[in-house]
Amino acid sequence: GNSVTQMEGPVTLSEEAFLTINCTYTATGYPSLFWYVQYPGEGLQLLLKATKADDKGSNKGFEATYRKETTSFHLEKGSVQVSDSAVYFCALSDPGSSASKIIFGSGTRLSIRP
Amino acid sequence: DTAVSQTPKYLVTQMGNDKSIKCEQNLGHDTMYWYKQDSKKFLKIMFSYNNKELIINETVPNRFSPKSPDKAHLNLHINSLELGDSAVYFCASSQEDRDGNTIYFGEGSWLTVV
Repeated sequence: GNSVTQMEGPVTLSEEAFLTINCTYTATGYPSLFWYVQYPGEGLQLLLKATKADDKGSNKGFEATYRKETTSFHLEKGSVQVSDSAVYFCALSDPGSSASKIIFGSGTRLSIRP
Repeated sequence: DTAVSQTPKYLVTQMGNDKSIKCEQNLGHDTMYWYKQDSKKFLKIMFSYNNKELIINETVPNRFSPKSPDKAHLNLHINSLELGDSAVYFCASSQEDRDGNTIYFGEGSWLTVV
């Protein structure tokens, strides 16, 4: 079956550091991949997505590239800010399966020190 | 305009009470969900409805009963509340397209059972 594994947190970085949050997946079909962000006290918001191999999703300085050969979708940002402190969720959706098969990773908490 | 809205945002209630959380989406999506997020931020799907029909009913106590009067609404009723029901409950909706499913979340309902 489909699954998503992301690095355990918490991840603590200083402002302007480089960020990588790892995400790998297993899927029987050709899934779409997503990163969601949850700021404190809020719901999950779509951050970026990629729908096929080698696609790169990007938003707010974050990027992730769909790597079929390594079944990965790592989230990166070149210079993080305090306002990026949040919980990040990797997710996949398999168009070939039922409408409700959206699988989330366990979330990675990111804290940025000023 | 809020895409997925749920009420109330905060709810504190005593053990044994019955409570409801309401959800509405104005995105025209066919599928709606209820997720439960525990204190470690782990997201667990509880229910999914597609065009008012129940399609996912995970292992959830039958004290939890979803109701979908139309495809834009999915309410969650909880009977005989227990301490372990304290969590954040997220409503969400999605529409399947060629990219799979992109899921949109409400802002969450923080339930505290005392």
